[in-house]
Amino acid sequence: DQQVKQNSPSLSVQEGRISILNCDYTNSMFDYFLWYKKYPAEGPTFLISISSIKDKNEDGRFTVFLNKSAKHLSLHIVPSQPGDSAVYFCAASPYYNQGGKLIFGQGTELSVKP
Amino acid sequence: DGGITQSPKYLFRKEGQNVTLSCEQNLNHDAMYWYRQDPGQGLRLIYYSQIVNDFQKGDIAEGYSVSREKKESFPLTVTSAQKNPTAFYLCASRNREGGYTFGSGTRLTVV
Repeated sequence: DQQVKQNSPSLSVQEGRISILNCDYTNSMFDYFLWYKKYPAEGPTFLISISSIKDKNEDGRFTVFLNKSAKHLSLHIVPSQPGDSAVYFCAASPYYNQGGKLIFGQGTELSVKP
Repeated sequence: DGGITQSPKYLFRKEGQNVTLSCEQNLNHDAMYWYRQDPGQGLRLIYYSQIVNDFQKGDIAEGYSVSREKKESFPLTVTSAQKNPTAFYLCASRNREGGYTFGSGTRLTVV
């Protein structure tokens, strides 16, 4: 049972345009959501996160939006750059601040074309 | 610099062999995790440990074993009971504020 789903395995975007990566979840106990970026043969690196008490968090070119009623979150990258090309994982956790473990989606491979 | 070191980077295993993947951290983190990455399936949790001498099964623990004798070390053994061990294995640790740090991974291939 996949509790965190990224239904688009890949996304291709032109440099300078917006990239929108989507993530859906099923567990209403999730209270913290994170996005990780991963290059081939490397470990994931933290990108941005959002608590369930917020609906938006912004960090430079990266913004994460959370829609709790739809159990959906999205990552916006504006403007997209070729260096953003990587696999992006959405992750969620119940009771995050009490040590809840992360559950990852399948990942979306983003390709930003020059 | 503090971080997580996984070794080896590449590992080849013959059918029926046990192999052990190393994970060492110098971040003074209590919690450590092992994930497995397969194409199209994201990262799946194998085992985790919240504290020394304690560990719990994750979602796909069958065919794997771990130990946590020291805070810094959380080795993963892939046993012959694991029927499809070829994958990319990632170790992570977590600080008290909740941040995860990942190692650079070990790619295990059965030959």
